[in-house]
Amino acid sequence: ETGVTQSPTHLIKTRGQQVTLRCSSQSGHNTVSWYQQALGQGPQFIFQYYREEENGRGNFPPRFSGLQFPNYSSELNVNALELDDSALYLCASSSRIPGSENTIYFGEGSWLTVV
Amino acid sequence: KQEVTQIPAALSVPEGENLVLNCSFTDSAIYNLQWFRQDPGKGLTSLLLIQSSQREQTSGRLNASLDKSSGRSTLYIAASQPGDSATYLCALQTGANNLFFGTGTRLTVIP
Repeated sequence: ETGVTQSPTHLIKTRGQQVTLRCSSQSGHNTVSWYQQALGQGPQFIFQYYREEENGRGNFPPRFSGLQFPNYSSELNVNALELDDSALYLCASSSRIPGSENTIYFGEGSWLTVV
Repeated sequence: KQEVTQIPAALSVPEGENLVLNCSFTDSAIYNLQWFRQDPGKGLTSLLLIQSSQREQTSGRLNASLDKSSGRSTLYIAASQPGDSATYLCALQTGANNLFFGTGTRLTVIP
């Protein structure tokens, strides 16, 4: 148990729709990152939020957006869904407090299927 | 751009055998390297973290090494067990907790 919870665990959407995925980070962690893992691939970095601001972004189009809330929980929003967006979406939390470990804790993920 | 390669892509071994998983990377400017385990349909569990200044880390039957100069890391699993069957991913941390992952090695330990 990592303390990182994601919802929903599974969902099916139609091409062109919008989706919101949610993540509650581990207690005390102020940084949340989102990753996309297609079947048979390693996770790919989407973006990171630190203290409610985007702090780094991978090679994903603007229709992938996010939010971080004052309690450090986070949302990933994807607009205009495409078939290739079908993947496992992983949330990871970590702490940027100086002197703390850099271990990153992952949630169980949200499986998104776009049909 | 950082590229991470894991070889082999899949590996089957009989129970009790010792094994080595390999990870290579192209850019040695890393903060640390982590090895993760992923069970089918699940999230990632961190196994070992090696800081860039370290050469190896051990946890139980697992030992991970890091050679930044050659851009390589290995994960050694001693006395493998069926419960070790999973996909093993290496990931490099560069800058603000951003991870670059390899594609993983799918390990099957046969009873």
